[in-house]
Amino acid sequence: GAVVSQHPSWVICKSGTSVKIECRSLDFQATTMFWYRQFPKQSLMLMATSNEGSKATYEQGVEKDKFLINHASLTLSTLTVTSAHPEDSSFYICSGRYNSEYEQYFGPGTRLTVT
Amino acid sequence: GQNIDQPTEMTATEGAIVQINCTYQTSGFNGLFWYQQHAGEAPTFLSYNVLDGLEEKGRFSSFLSRSKGYSYLLLKELQMKDSASYLCAPVDSNYQLIWGAGTKLIIKP
Repeated sequence: GAVVSQHPSWVICKSGTSVKIECRSLDFQATTMFWYRQFPKQSLMLMATSNEGSKATYEQGVEKDKFLINHASLTLSTLTVTSAHPEDSSFYICSGRYNSEYEQYFGPGTRLTVT
Repeated sequence: GQNIDQPTEMTATEGAIVQINCTYQTSGFNGLFWYQQHAGEAPTFLSYNVLDGLEEKGRFSSFLSRSKGYSYLLLKELQMKDSASYLCAPVDSNYQLIWGAGTKLIIKP
C-alpha cells in the first residue's frame, strides 16, 4: 500500500515555458504533500509543504510565484514551474503523508530538463 | 540549528557487513527514518526508530540512541543491489523530516 505516482517521469521544455508535474496518492488520502528538488549528488531539498485545501508553505529561498503548488484534493497535488530556466533543471520528487503519521511515501520523481 | 552528519561514501564487499553511522542535532525529536535511494530514483523507506535500541528487519537493522543523537544502519550479507545512497532523516518538533546528504554505498564483488 501507500503508493504515490508522478507524471510525467521526465520532461524537456524550452526556456521561458511552464511545466506542470502531477503527484497522486493512489491508495491513501494524503493530507499533507511535500515537494522536493534534488540536484545531482546532493541531498533532497524540501521546496514546500502543502495541506489539502490550504496554501502551500514554502521553504526559505523558494520562489512561490515561480513554483506554483496546488493541493486541491486528498489525492492530487501539482507543481507548476513557471517561466522555466536551465537552472531549474533538476529531479523533482513529491511525497505524501496521511493523518498524524510521520512516514512520507515518495513518488518516483520527475526529471526536468530546460533547454 | 539542525544538522545531520553521515559519511559521504563507503565501500564494502559483496557478502560482508557494513554499518552506516548518523549523528544528528535537531529542534526536538520525533523519531528517525532511514531511506534507501538508488541513483535516479526516489527514496524508499527502510526503517523508523523512535525508541532507543536495535530494530531488525531481515538483512537490515537500525539502531538509535536518543541521548547521544546517534543512529546507525547495519546491512548484512551485502548484495550488489544494495549499492545506493542511504539517507538518515530525523523528525523534528514540527514533525518535519530533516534530510542529511546521504551516504553513497559502493558494493564491490
